[in-house]
Amino acid sequence: ETGVTQTPRHLVMGMTNKKSLKCEQHLGHNAMYWYKQSAKKPLELMFVYSLEERVENNSVPSRFSPECPNSSHLFLHLHTLQPEDSALYLCASSQDTSGSLTDTQYFGPGTRLTVL
Amino acid sequence: SQKIEQNSEALNIQEGKTATLTCNYTNYSPAYLQWYRQDPGRGPVFLLLIRENEKEKRKERLKVTFDTTLKQSLFHITASQPADSATYLCALDVSGGSYIPTFGRGTSLIVHP
Repeated sequence: ETGVTQTPRHLVMGMTNKKSLKCEQHLGHNAMYWYKQSAKKPLELMFVYSLEERVENNSVPSRFSPECPNSSHLFLHLHTLQPEDSALYLCASSQDTSGSLTDTQYFGPGTRLTVL
Repeated sequence: SQKIEQNSEALNIQEGKTATLTCNYTNYSPAYLQWYRQDPGRGPVFLLLIRENEKEKRKERLKVTFDTTLKQSLFHITASQPADSATYLCALDVSGGSYIPTFGRGTSLIVHP
């Protein structure tokens, strides 16, 4: 295991539902990330948090709302999603955001989201 | 436009042979390039990082080359095994020094016994 856990592993929701994805890292890292992975498409970076502050938001629709209460936990709150939001949502962490080029990302197993 | 290109067709090889996967990029000058492995239903796992001033990096049966003139990285698995079957992603920093890599869409490798 990579030291990054995600729950739930699978989620089916209607377009009017509100749900949250949870990520926890046990590696003592300072940076955490949300990615979206759709079939046949590259990983898309959604949000980056460094020391609990959001440092990047890649033009993600407001129906996705991240929350980082501390450096070990990251949430993605979902509200009124669309069927095209169905994808694998991956959480990752890395040691720091100091610009170290040797920094690598540790990924969780992902949440498979289906929006009906 | 800026692109990271990996062969979208699966690579099928026989056990024991060397698998070679390609990552090409355009309009970037990355300071590093990474390779990850991803199994179905799981997150990517980091394998190797190579810097712009390095030509080659090895780790056990894995070898990565980085040609900044050709804008290409090759990923080799020698003595391949069925357990090596997975999708392999390359990732590089598109900002020339960013700590956040941008990923290609990956190439599926299938090793037949």
